[in-house]
Parts: sequence; C-alpha cells; structure tokens
Amino acid sequence: GAGVSQSPSNKVTEKGKDVELRCDPISGHTALYWYRQSLGQGLEFLIYFQGNSAPDKSGLPSDRFSAERTGGSVSTLTIQRTQQEDSAVYLCASSPQGAVYNEQFFGPGTRLTVL
Amino acid sequence: GQQLNQSPQSMFIQEGEDVSMNCTSSSIFNTWLWYKQDPGEGPVLLIALYKAGELTSNGRLTAQFGITRKDSFLNISASIPSDVGIYFCAGKNAGNNRKLIWGLGTSLGVNP
Repeated sequence: GAGVSQSPSNKVTEKGKDVELRCDPISGHTALYWYRQSLGQGLEFLIYFQGNSAPDKSGLPSDRFSAERTGGSVSTLTIQRTQQEDSAVYLCASSPQGAVYNEQFFGPGTRLTVL
Repeated sequence: GQQLNQSPQSMFIQEGEDVSMNCTSSSIFNTWLWYKQDPGEGPVLLIALYKAGELTSNGRLTAQFGITRKDSFLNISASIPSDVGIYFCAGKNAGNNRKLIWGLGTSLGVNP
C-alpha cells in the first residue's frame, strides 16, 4: 500500500516568509509525528498527534511553529516568519492504532531552505 | 530532551567486513528499534526488539536487546556498498509509551 507522503519535497523561501508543509500518513494510522533533522544531525521531535487526543507539542522550538491535523488524517506543519536556522529536513511519520511497540513509518521529508 | 548515546558516530570499512554499532541509555527501555536512513529519504525500520535478551536477525543484520534493558547493538555482516547510510537507534522507556527517544546516528561508509 501507499506509504507516508510529504509535500513539497523541497521548499526554498526567504527569511520572514511563512511556509506550510504537508504530510499524508498511511491510511488508518492514528498516530502522526513531526521531526526536524538538521544537516548531519539526528531526529529532533517536534509534535505528536494521537487520534482525538490533544497533541503533544513539547518539541516545538518556538511559537512560530504550529501544526494541525484535520480529520485525523492529513497534517500541516506551519512555520511563521521563517529564520535561517529553520533550514532543515522536516520528516513526518505515522503509526497504526494500538501500536504498543510504536513502530514509526517515515515519509521522505521536506527539505526547507531559508535564504 | 533525553537522547540515546549511540556509537560510533561514524565509520568507514572495506566491503566484506563486519561492523558493529551500539546504543546505551541511562534508563530502562522496553523497546529498541534500529532504523537506516539513505540520503534524501526518511528512516526505514530494520529491526524491532521487545524483550530483554532478544536477538533478532534480518538478512545480514543482527540486533540484540541488552539484558540490562539499557543498551542494544546492531551488527552488519559481510558489508556491501548499499549498506552505506546513517543508522539510528530508537527506544521507548516504561515511563513514556508515546514517544520514541532517538540516538544521533552512526554514519557508515563502505569502500568497495
């Protein structure tokens, strides 16, 4: 079946502009995660959605970052007033309901470059 | 936030050699996962471990869940050029069953 998809694959923007990144999780997966990966670094947790529960936003680095998940499926990560340090690959992952073992399936990522 | 101590940070080996990498944690984990990330792609799950002492293989890859529940290792035997990539460990501790805790990755290079 289809995996996790993300769009756009690449985004170049000017400092100060807002950007929206989209994630389509695997159909039926109730958990959705956003991560940030800077060049040569590990994965930095940003936000986690699980079903209808309140999202865990503990990883968002500033109030310029926000995310929504509509209808328990598609998610959008929004970065307002982008800064150069926001340049990174933004990865989305999903997990199936009742995933006790929390195996996450990743999309290919969106590479964001802020000039 | 909490991170796992993953080592080595990087390594270069000759094709055909075996390689080993490991992760340690200061707290007890009940799940260990090993992922591989190819350039320009998201991480892909290689092996999942759920019980202390568990030894699991996936082709030339073997991973073990440490007896202390605070460590795990991944071995790759008879390396080939397509093994090149970044290998991440990730785990889940008993105190938080919602989020994975990630290592910083081991970058593997293979000389043909």
